[in-house]
Amino acid sequence: SYVLTQPPSVSVAPGKTATITCGGDTIGSKSVHWYQQRPGQAPVLVIYYDSDRPSGIPERFSGSNSGNTATLTISRVEAGDEADYYCQVWDSGSDYYIFGTGTQVTVL
Amino acid sequence: QVQLLESGPGLVKPSETLSLTCIVSGGSMSSNYWSWIRQPPGKGLEWIGYIYYSGSTNSNPSLKSRVTISADTSKNQLSLKLSSVSAADTAVYYCVRHLMATVQIFDYWGQGTLVTVSS
Repeated sequence: SYVLTQPPSVSVAPGKTATITCGGDTIGSKSVHWYQQRPGQAPVLVIYYDSDRPSGIPERFSGSNSGNTATLTISRVEAGDEADYYCQVWDSGSDYYIFGTGTQVTVL
Repeated sequence: QVQLLESGPGLVKPSETLSLTCIVSGGSMSSNYWSWIRQPPGKGLEWIGYIYYSGSTNSNPSLKSRVTISADTSKNQLSLKLSSVSAADTAVYYCVRHLMATVQIFDYWGQGTLVTVSS
């Protein structure tokens, strides 16, 4: 089965840039979506189709996808960005949804 | 704005059937996919299955034999039944709408409801 691997944790100082990776076999050939889950809350879509932002999501959130790695970048990190982040793909062949292992972002 | 509200028993005994309901407000169920996703305490997200407004369904192969998803579009309501539960099914269960006109993106999530499997 298809596996998406994320680093368990990322720490970043306020105002700096956080980079969260999502590794998967030829993930660049798939569309990747990213979700933010603050403590005790439901996930929120922050990036879809690799790099598109839903309305209401700050421009500080951006995404890219190539080869075997997709990346979510959070620029000018704020305390409110502290959350778990999950990548997700859809396997069209089997009509099945896969989530990454999740990355906890800590703002120092 | 679409709102999703899950409800159901917070405690289910092992081997019994977990039953949850999701009420959709602020929008129609038409032309959309609707999924159930769960998250065990302290762990990651797992897709359970979806239903299209027309009634077609699909579910996670690891759960397929135990999952039933249904919808009553006249009541803007969808349901999840998971049979023969065990402690491994303890989780927060989310009702989720897929982004309009797409199958692969989840854009609105309910607040989630915690279901504990224990005798």
